[in-house]
Amino acid sequence: DVVLTQTPPTLSATIGQSVSISCRSSQSLLHSNGNTYLNWLLQRPGQPPQLLIYLVSRLESGVPNRFSGSGSGTDFTLKISGVEAEDLGVYYCVQSTHAPFTFGSGTKLEIK
Amino acid sequence: EVQLVESGGGLVQPGRSLKLSCAASGFTFSNYYMAWVRQAPKKGLEWVATISTSGSRTYYPDSVKGRFTISRDNAKSSLYLQMNSLKSEDTATYYCARGASYWGQGVMVTVSS
Repeated sequence: DVVLTQTPPTLSATIGQSVSISCRSSQSLLHSNGNTYLNWLLQRPGQPPQLLIYLVSRLESGVPNRFSGSGSGTDFTLKISGVEAEDLGVYYCVQSTHAPFTFGSGTKLEIK
Repeated sequence: EVQLVESGGGLVQPGRSLKLSCAASGFTFSNYYMAWVRQAPKKGLEWVATISTSGSRTYYPDSVKGRFTISRDNAKSSLYLQMNSLKSEDTATYYCARGASYWGQGVMVTVSS
């Protein structure tokens, strides 16, 4: 199975600070159809995960544009440009290029 | 709007069975792979089962293979998870998911005597 290594495991940020989360895959996530099925999820405390970014860099409808995704192949990054209080929670990368889909171990974002 | 609503959770004794259901709406259910994902208390997300659009292909991790069965009824836009021989380590919130993108609110399963 594909292993996704997410770093850092925890992140502490002040309001307005920009932060980045890395997700590295044990193998390329480029599908034979040309798409790269790498998503970013946010799980707020007590809530189910919600989709932020899909196909590496596409912003889900309704998600603020301070969130952005980038990367290719095996290296991917989620950036939050100007953290807000509502952004606290655990961020996961998840791939569905290779069955079964697998998750990163999560990055907990705390607000200072 | 994609909606996924799970039901069927609860407290069950070790070795017993439980069946979860997920009612889907807001999209053409039969067009999508569906999955169950679980999250043990204070832990990360763990994939439990995936089913193809027609139901002809299913996938499981070793941790549940032979004990859990995923199925679907495309006519009813419903997804199921039959869980047999439950163990304490199966205690978790179980989420119905459309691929790796959309999630239900989850249902709690507690396996305890």
